Amino acid sequence: AQSVTQPDIHITVSEGASLELRCNYSYGATPYLFWYVQSPGQGLQLLLKYFSGDTLVQGIKGFEAEFKRSQSSFNLRKPSVHWSDAAEYFCAGVFTGGGNKLTFGTGTQLKVEL
Amino acid sequence: DTGVSQNPRHKITKRGQNVTFRCDPISEHNRLYWYRQTLGQGPEFLTYFQNEAQLEKSRLLSDRFSAERPKGSFSTLEIQRTEQGDSAMYLCASSPTGGSNQPQHFGDGTRLSIL
Repeated sequence: AQSVTQPDIHITVSEGASLELRCNYSYGATPYLFWYVQSPGQGLQLLLKYFSGDTLVQGIKGFEAEFKRSQSSFNLRKPSVHWSDAAEYFCAGVFTGGGNKLTFGTGTQLKVEL
Repeated sequence: DTGVSQNPRHKITKRGQNVTFRCDPISEHNRLYWYRQTLGQGPEFLTYFQNEAQLEKSRLLSDRFSAERPKGSFSTLEIQRTEQGDSAMYLCASSPTGGSNQPQHFGDGTRLSIL
């Protein structure tokens, strides 16, 4: 079955520290992959997307993500976290044969300590 | 680009009542999606339109749920005879025509609370 897994429910980092949020997908082929961020009570904002080609993709707000086919992973990274990055982060995929719908992971709640 | 607009932002209603939500997509986007998000979970797909045609519906969309997009612009999602389990955030997203790699842009959602 097609699925997206985010193993970490909560992550806490200190402001200025580096960040890596994990995402794995389960599917035979490479899906289109996305990272979204959601602040409390708000909708989802697109951070970055991966379709094909370069495995390291750059997004907004200083975020980047690396696609690793061998590990079926698409981890989100940021070299130096700001307090305003505290939010919930969702990894999502569009799978071939699944129409155009996004399949989301359960999200990772990021807390930033000052 | 005014973004995806959803109304109302919050809706509180008694169990058994009917509710209707509206979504106005980004004007040049002809694909429109509805998702439902419960507390602590990622959004789950409900249904999808291309222009006025409803092309896919999730099994989550019981017969109490109906969505329309009559003129291929705004969309409405109606829930009849609401139940406690319908309490959730209902998110709308839109995207331009193209491949499945077109990113979806989300509205701020409508939060439904069933008393």
